[in-house]
Amino acid sequence: SQQGEEDPQALSIQEGENATMNCSYKTSINNLQWYRQNSGRGLVHLILIRSNEREKHSGRLRVTLDTSKKSSSLLITASRAADTASYFCATAVSGGSYIPTFGRGTSLIVHP
Amino acid sequence: GAGVSQSPSNKVTEKGKDVELRCDPISGHTALYWYRQSLGQGLEFLIYFQGNSAPDKSGLPSDRFSAERTGGSVSTLTIQRTQQEDSAVYLCASSITSGRTETQYFGPGTRLLVL
Repeated sequence: SQQGEEDPQALSIQEGENATMNCSYKTSINNLQWYRQNSGRGLVHLILIRSNEREKHSGRLRVTLDTSKKSSSLLITASRAADTASYFCATAVSGGSYIPTFGRGTSLIVHP
Repeated sequence: GAGVSQSPSNKVTEKGKDVELRCDPISGHTALYWYRQSLGQGLEFLIYFQGNSAPDKSGLPSDRFSAERTGGSVSTLTIQRTQQEDSAVYLCASSITSGRTETQYFGPGTRLLVL
């Protein structure tokens, strides 16, 4: 089963609106990363948040992490059509070797 | 500098044939990962290399799948006697090390279609 699961599966918004997607996971993590994928090709790393961090910003991206709820959210502010992509969270489980585990992703469509 | 490259970009093969997929990681990256992504699905971990050794092969779906890495660089994923359910995008990623905070850099993927 997937360690991380994104929610919603699909999100459709207008340009300029904010987009929020969530990731829930099952076991304790060392860190959580968000990636973006365009057109079913390679993934691009967006941001990493460590388990002792609660919030992180990068440009128009804001990531939060709530380890008590085992969840993270990715907020994209003032969305653009170019933000249309699938977004995945990847978790690094505490202990053991580091094999990032990806969820099924949130498909975001931003209408111009 | 150059990113992760994969070849071929697309591969169409007939059921029962063998295929080889190639991954060229970023120079100096010691860790290399193979994933499979079926349509509308997340990434399924297949195997990872630290240097030339593969500490974790747990994700390989069957003994038809094998992978090797030589010289700590290029990796080849081989699928023998391909089946239609092997159709997917095969993604390769590399990172500087296999440490938990390392960022993975992905290649563009190989889209495999088994007829």
